[in-house]
Amino acid sequence: NAGVTQTPKFQVLKTGQSMTLQCAQDMNHEYMSWYRQDPGMGLRLIHYSVGAGITDQGEVPNGYNVSRSTTEDFPLRLLSAAPSQTSVYFCASSYLEILPNTGELFFGEGSRLTVL
Amino acid sequence: QQQVKQSPQSLIVQKGGISIINCAYENTAFDYFPWYQQFPGKGPALLIAIRPDVSEKKEGRFTISFNKSAKQFSLHIMDSQPGDSATYFCAASIDYGNKLVFGAGTILRVKS
Repeated sequence: NAGVTQTPKFQVLKTGQSMTLQCAQDMNHEYMSWYRQDPGMGLRLIHYSVGAGITDQGEVPNGYNVSRSTTEDFPLRLLSAAPSQTSVYFCASSYLEILPNTGELFFGEGSRLTVL
Repeated sequence: QQQVKQSPQSLIVQKGGISIINCAYENTAFDYFPWYQQFPGKGPALLIAIRPDVSEKKEGRFTISFNKSAKQFSLHIMDSQPGDSATYFCAASIDYGNKLVFGAGTILRVKS
């Protein structure tokens, strides 16, 4: 199993450009989410999905779009990149039902984005 | 405003010592408190988690202590090793859910 796969690992954009961060998981997880990690801020939830066709906003959704057409894929789109979106982005997935002794979010290795 | 406040921001501990990281929360609806460990260049990974019906949970050298009345929980790493050097995040969620709210993180360095 590959787990959670994110591409690209590194990306440099100019202000105003758009791009898509890809996320795929092969664990048949219903729940998928995107976080951004910034120094001193921890991980903040951008968007999440509880299944194909269902998405919702997290704590910091502005400037980002998501869609969930399949169980496996959850791409994150930056509509018009801004320097404030320079960050490390993590995709995470898990089963929707939290069993008594699990509840684990599985993270990808991250995508480092720099917006100039 | 962070819903989960974590301290310290960074920590240096001698090999064999005890590392202690603290977290505090305000939302009494939180009912699931995991800790994640992150190595450089990698994504966070679940280390240990606790639910508020117990005051302590131990897995090997890692222990979570939970104080429901004070709305605080902490991670203790006994006999800290250089391989424990990483960033540690506390987190919390409601209804044992997947929507985790994370603390700011603690960078731990264990000196040999």
